[in-house]
Amino acid sequence: SAVISQKPSRDICQRGTSLTIQCQVDSQVTMMFWYRQQPGQSLTLIATANQGSEATYESGFVIDKFPISRPNLTFSTLTVSNMSPEDSSIYLCSVATPWYFGPGTRLLVL
Amino acid sequence: GENVEQHPSTLSVQEGDSAVIKCTYSDSASNYFPWYKQELGKGPQLIIDIRSNVGEKKDQRIAVTLNKTAKHFSLHITETQPEDSAVYFCAASIEGAGSYQLTFGKGTKLSVIP
Repeated sequence: SAVISQKPSRDICQRGTSLTIQCQVDSQVTMMFWYRQQPGQSLTLIATANQGSEATYESGFVIDKFPISRPNLTFSTLTVSNMSPEDSSIYLCSVATPWYFGPGTRLLVL
Repeated sequence: GENVEQHPSTLSVQEGDSAVIKCTYSDSASNYFPWYKQELGKGPQLIIDIRSNVGEKKDQRIAVTLNKTAKHFSLHITETQPEDSAVYFCAASIEGAGSYQLTFGKGTKLSVIP
């Protein structure tokens, strides 16, 4: 199984600012995925990140709000831009298949 | 697209009893069904999965059953322990053919009462 780490584990941010979340995998993977889990809710896919190409975003998520980088086969970043309180969520990095998830980044926007 | 329904949303059982969580899916092409356990403050942990060529799979106290005709699958936990208390999510996916969509149910909060 893949071991996934994320940084930071949690953060409290002011509205209007941006936060970049890092995801590191212990093995090379072609595809990495970013999910959002709003408080008490299930997981929703934000985007799929392939190394060497543009990320593919799901309906309701746009690149200007959630820019993603994928510089190599073991690392990816997700930026949450111009944050508002509605962005308060857990952000999770994942690899497939099977799907394994990182520990998550707990974001609170004030 | 795929839709996964999960029931119940909350479940309380006495320690030592069994717990059953049920999910239904809509897309008959789905062929991979994982279950995740999420403890407070942690990411989802894959605990068991089943593919559509198998009807049942067991791993110690955990088992999953799949009924392809009815398009439902279930998680069974026997001899529950307090450490089984967590939120459990079912999910469905189509493996192969370049598809990487994983659709989740809404989750079941399991409480095991000592």
